[in-house]
Amino acid sequence: AQTIHQWPVAEIKAVGSPLSLGCTIKGKSSPNLYWYWQATGGTLQQLFYSITVGQVESVVQLNLSASRPKDDQFILSTEKLLLSHSGFYLCAWVVGNTLYFGEGSRLIVV
Amino acid sequence: QQKVQQSPESLSVPEGGMASLNCTSSDRNFQYFWWYRQHSGEGPKALMSIFSDGDKKEGRFTAHLNKASLHVSLHIRDSQPSDSALYFCAVRPDTNAYKVIFGKGTHLHVLP
Repeated sequence: AQTIHQWPVAEIKAVGSPLSLGCTIKGKSSPNLYWYWQATGGTLQQLFYSITVGQVESVVQLNLSASRPKDDQFILSTEKLLLSHSGFYLCAWVVGNTLYFGEGSRLIVV
Repeated sequence: QQKVQQSPESLSVPEGGMASLNCTSSDRNFQYFWWYRQHSGEGPKALMSIFSDGDKKEGRFTAHLNKASLHVSLHIRDSQPSDSALYFCAVRPDTNAYKVIFGKGTHLHVLP
């Protein structure tokens, strides 16, 4: 079975501090992976996508970066958090023609 | 830039009633429409995809696509309180197979 795991589930971080969010996919080789951001109750904004190890494409600039260090892993990070980074971060992958999401990481920046 | 417009923003229906949600793409060049449902605190779950004109039915959910008007609707019959959630429409443009654009969502409230 194919599974997607995101970590951490939730974080409270200070403005200016670093951040690292992770996503691991099991059960599929060479998946296309995506990061989305969602403000509370808002729409889903695509941030990055990656189709292979070491390659990441940026869709929108939000002072965030992403990396694909392994085939089954996708990392979202920044060195300095802003208040505007608060929200729900979702990792997703494609099965067939459909995007499937993980359970998300909730980030509160204070 | 392609936009996805959803209406209404919020919808309340009685339990057992029919809920109808609407979505329009601003760009004629798309490949697929999807409907997603998100319960509070969870990741969105894919409900169904549609790319051919006409109806597609899955259980209590029916999607209807009109490519000429770039409009897709989702109808939920016999609505249940567990259907209360945020519903998103999403579109993948022809120009980028790795881009999926979401609308702002419709908040559905099913009243017991």
